[in-house]
Amino acid sequence: ETGVTQSPTHLIKTRGQQVTLRCSSQSGHNTVSWYQQALGQGPQFIFQYYREEENGRGNFPPRFSGLQFPNYSSELNVNALELDDSALYLCASSLGLARGNEQFFGPGTRLTVL
Amino acid sequence: GQQLNQSPQSMFIQEGEDVSMNCTSSSIFNTWLWYKQDPGEGPVLLIALYKAGELTSNGRLTAQFGITRKDSFLNISASIPSDVGIYFCAGQVFQGAQKLVFGQGTRLTINP
Repeated sequence: ETGVTQSPTHLIKTRGQQVTLRCSSQSGHNTVSWYQQALGQGPQFIFQYYREEENGRGNFPPRFSGLQFPNYSSELNVNALELDDSALYLCASSLGLARGNEQFFGPGTRLTVL
Repeated sequence: GQQLNQSPQSMFIQEGEDVSMNCTSSSIFNTWLWYKQDPGEGPVLLIALYKAGELTSNGRLTAQFGITRKDSFLNISASIPSDVGIYFCAGQVFQGAQKLVFGQGTRLTINP
């Protein structure tokens, strides 16, 4: 069974640019969540996708957007990058929304904004 | 918003010692989870707790869901070098989305 995978591993962008990060969920998982983890902090919830629909959103501006595809893989897009967007972006998948379906994390994408 | 206060922020112990860390919140959570994160990797789930008062073990790890549903603790017995890393507590809420709220982490360092 393949776990959650993310690409790319590392990325360097400049302020104002746009970036797309990708996530492949664990086999059989239809729910994908994205988190932002700043250095030295715990992850912060960005949003969640369930069966290709956004299912909830954290306190992040609209320039953070996403997609989920029919195979349940997902993308996180960030427009107009700011220096504070530099962080580890984590994707997590789960079997569904019911309690007991825990989230399993990928290795993350390290984004640096210069 | 919901916040979790995790303590201690860091621990320096000798191999073989027991470790205890805890998490408190002003909000009630339906589920408490403990994750471990190694450098360059994502968090790995250690223990999940679903009922107030529940005490659950996973090998040398033991965690409890506080009876007020606002706190949890994690104990590690007889620490070994591979226990080094950052431990995060997380509370889970179901407000439409299955959202995790994380603590700030406890960094564990072990002297051999």
